[in-house]
Amino acid sequence: AQSVSQHNHHVILSEAASLELGCNYSYGGTVNLFWYVQYPGQHLQLLLKYFSGDPLVKGIKGFEAEFIKSKFSFNLRKPSVQWSDTAEYFCAVGMNSGYSTLTFGKGTMLLVSP
Amino acid sequence: GAGVSQSPSNKVTEKGKDVELRCDPISGHTALYWYRQSLGQGLEFLIYFQGNSAPDKSGLPSDRFSAERTGGSVSTLTIQRTQQEDSAVYLCASSVGLAGEDEQFFGPGTRLTVL
Repeated sequence: AQSVSQHNHHVILSEAASLELGCNYSYGGTVNLFWYVQYPGQHLQLLLKYFSGDPLVKGIKGFEAEFIKSKFSFNLRKPSVQWSDTAEYFCAVGMNSGYSTLTFGKGTMLLVSP
Repeated sequence: GAGVSQSPSNKVTEKGKDVELRCDPISGHTALYWYRQSLGQGLEFLIYFQGNSAPDKSGLPSDRFSAERTGGSVSTLTIQRTQQEDSAVYLCASSVGLAGEDEQFFGPGTRLTVL
């Protein structure tokens, strides 16, 4: 079965610091990759996704992620975080084979101090 | 409606009681998913519906858990004889296409507490 590993459970940064959240998956086939975000008191929502093409994808609010196939990774980055980026971030993987579900990582809680 | 809705938002029950959790997906979304979110455990897949049928029930943790979907819309997740380990936030999501290939839209969740 596929699995998704997020390296850090909690990250604390000051505003304007750079962010990189790690995500690795275990599946040898073609995958679709997602980052979802859950802001305090809000629903989970899609941040960005990769299906094919340019491995560097850009999402909302200045976030981007890079798919590195050889490393089975899809790390999330932002050059300069804001207090409003405080949230929990989930990486998810779907197999590109008509399979119906996503496998989610355990999440990384990001706290940005003003 | 505008988004996925779930009810109740909170449910407190006693061990051994049955509970029903409801999900109203976005209109027109044929795929519907149930997840369980426990502290520090991420999202645990429970069951998936395509229309009214459930091709994938692999995530249901025990036979105390069941779900149905009627009219290709509303879904109900039922937990019988609840146990304390069932306490979690139960999330529903819907999508136009399959989850592995399309964005899922999540509801606000139902927080279940089993005393």
